[in-house]
Amino acid sequence: AQKVTQAQTEISVVEKEDVTLDCVYETRDTTYYLFWYKQPPSGELVFLIRRNSFDEQNEISGRYSWNFQKSTSSFNFTITASQVVDSAVYFCALSAAGDSGYALNFGKGTSLLVTP
Amino acid sequence: GAVVSQHPSWVICKSGTSVKIECRSLDFQATTMFWYRQFPKQSLMLMATSNEGSKATYEQGVEKDKFLINHASLTLSTLTVTSAHPEDSSFYICSARAPGLAGGEQFFGPGTRLTVL
Repeated sequence: AQKVTQAQTEISVVEKEDVTLDCVYETRDTTYYLFWYKQPPSGELVFLIRRNSFDEQNEISGRYSWNFQKSTSSFNFTITASQVVDSAVYFCALSAAGDSGYALNFGKGTSLLVTP
Repeated sequence: GAVVSQHPSWVICKSGTSVKIECRSLDFQATTMFWYRQFPKQSLMLMATSNEGSKATYEQGVEKDKFLINHASLTLSTLTVTSAHPEDSSFYICSARAPGLAGGEQFFGPGTRLTVL
């Protein structure tokens, strides 16, 4: 069985602060995929990143960066110099072949509020 | 490319009526479509997996007679909520996968917000 834990329910920061969203996962599969999605108030899911289990290289995309550590089963997401537009709910998700054909298992989400 | 649409984007209906939600892949052929449900301030939960031309596979606890899923073509899957009740009020999101996509990769529709009065 797959499980994704996002321990932080809500985070509030002031604009320009850095913020890290934590994600811990559990799986017995050796091949799996990790994702982060952003969900603004409109509800539509915005894809941010996909990582496979064999690629532990950290990634940076603009103000966003991701730290994947298999040793701790974590896939944390950092926003540098946060902006008000970053306010949203962020979901970490896990997928594997055995899971209904690559369906996503989502964490409970972290609600991020960035205030001016 | 890789656009998935849903229709309607929101619907309000009376208790006891049935509601059909369409999920379309606009520029690719989707051999697999997933239906997720999200209650307010909660996570997305997989309801069912549908493969084109075959019966949908439902997750534990999801009533297949209440949530009818049809995936009759490579670009269209429908979810029909039969005899809807207020507890079915939720945000329903579909996603679609095409052959050859990297593991886990799927494209989400914009979602349908269902309110049952």
